[in-house]
Amino acid sequence: SQTIHQWPATLVQPVGSPLSLECTVEGTSNPNLYWYRQAAGRGLQLLFYSVGIGQISSEVPQNLSASRPQDRQFILSSKKLLLSDSGFYLCAWAQGGETQYFGPGTRLLVL
Amino acid sequence: AQSVSQHNHHVILSEAASLELGCNYSYGGTVNLFWYVQYPGQHLQLLLKYFSGDPLVKGIKGFEAEFIKSKFSFNLRKPSVQWSDTAEYFCAVKVNAGKSTFGDGTTLTVKP
Repeated sequence: SQTIHQWPATLVQPVGSPLSLECTVEGTSNPNLYWYRQAAGRGLQLLFYSVGIGQISSEVPQNLSASRPQDRQFILSSKKLLLSDSGFYLCAWAQGGETQYFGPGTRLLVL
Repeated sequence: AQSVSQHNHHVILSEAASLELGCNYSYGGTVNLFWYVQYPGQHLQLLLKYFSGDPLVKGIKGFEAEFIKSKFSFNLRKPSVQWSDTAEYFCAVKVNAGKSTFGDGTTLTVKP
């Protein structure tokens, strides 16, 4: 069966520090991968999605970037965090662009 | 670009009451439609989906949704809610193979 992992679960970082959040998927090949930010009362905002290794589409201009160095690995990064980057980050995968399966999320607090 | 609107931000019901959560989307072409649910402390997960065929789809835990193309709607319904249905519900629309657009979510609180 397929599983999706995200780490860390919680992260507290100072403003201006770098960020690296990792997401890995097991049990499937060539999935579509997604990064979302979930804000209270504002739903899910799609940040990035990827249909293959090295293929990244950015949905909103921001301080973040994404990379897909391996088929089942998706990384969310920042060189310098801003206060406004605080939030709950969700990774998801889908096969054939259909139902999405979500990870447990990472809660990021930038101080 | 497509958009999804969920009209109810917070719904409070008593057990056994009927539920209907509204979802409207803006896109003129073929769509795939989803409802996802996030129970307290759990992952976001699929509740039901519509791709084609019968516009009335049934999902887990007695939920159903009806796709009305003329109204660009995909409302979620349950005839009798339970306390365990307390959760946040998200409607989503997919118009191409890459990505889905989510609504802002509706928080449902069911009072025992």
